[in-house]
Amino acid sequence: AQTVTQSQPEMSVQEAETVTLSCTYDTSENNYYLFWYKQPPSRQMILVIRQEAYKQQNATENRFSVNFQKAAKSFSLKISDSQLGDTAMYFCAISQAGTALIFGKGTTLSVSS
Amino acid sequence: DAGVTQSPTHLIKTRGQQVTLRCSPKSGHDTVSWYQQALGQGPQFIFQYYEEEERQRGNFPDRFSGHQFPNYSSELNVNALLLGDSALYLCASSYLLARDEQFFGPGTRLTVL
Repeated sequence: AQTVTQSQPEMSVQEAETVTLSCTYDTSENNYYLFWYKQPPSRQMILVIRQEAYKQQNATENRFSVNFQKAAKSFSLKISDSQLGDTAMYFCAISQAGTALIFGKGTTLSVSS
Repeated sequence: DAGVTQSPTHLIKTRGQQVTLRCSPKSGHDTVSWYQQALGQGPQFIFQYYEEEERQRGNFPDRFSGHQFPNYSSELNVNALLLGDSALYLCASSYLLARDEQFFGPGTRLTVL
C-alpha cells in the first residue's frame, strides 16, 4: 500500500518570503508519480507541480520547485516570493501511472502582507 | 474548453436516503475518478471508471456505486446514507494513456442530516 505523510498541519509566511512544505511517502513500486495539489478556499483542486520518480532532475514551475529525494522517500515543495494568492491547503499525493491518487492530510498555508 | 463539471453544487439529504452525483470530464478525457473529502482532510479515493467499467476501487462499502456512460460522463450513487457520508465529493478526469495528471472538478458538497 502507498501512504503519504504531511507533518506540518499549518504554516504561515509573509509576502515575498520563501516557504517549504514537507512530504514523505512510502511505496514498494519503482515507477510512480508525485504531485502537489493546491486547494484554495473556493475548494477547486489545482495541480501545482508533478514529478516522475524515474527523473532525477527536480521539477520546477515558475515560483514552485520540489526537492525530490528518492532514497529518503521525501518530496518537499518550495514556494519562492510568496503571494497572497498562494493562501490555500496544499496536498502531496502519489500515484502509479493513471491510477488512484493517494493524498496526505494536507498543510494549510497562510500568506500575510 | 470546459473543464471538469459536477452537479449539483450542494445537496442536503437525510439518513437512509439515496443520492446521485454527476460528473462530466474534461474534453478529450476518457477516465473518471471519484474522491471523498471530509472536512479538513485529504481526499480519499472511491473508484475509477474507464470504458464504462470500474477499473479500480478504494476501501469504500458497496453502498457506493458508480456508472460511466458512452460519452465518458459518470455518476456516483450512494445508498442508505449515513451521517458520516457528509463530505465534499470530488470528480477527477484524465486520459488513461497520458498516465499523469488528473483534473478536478469543483466538487459537490453533500450534507446528511
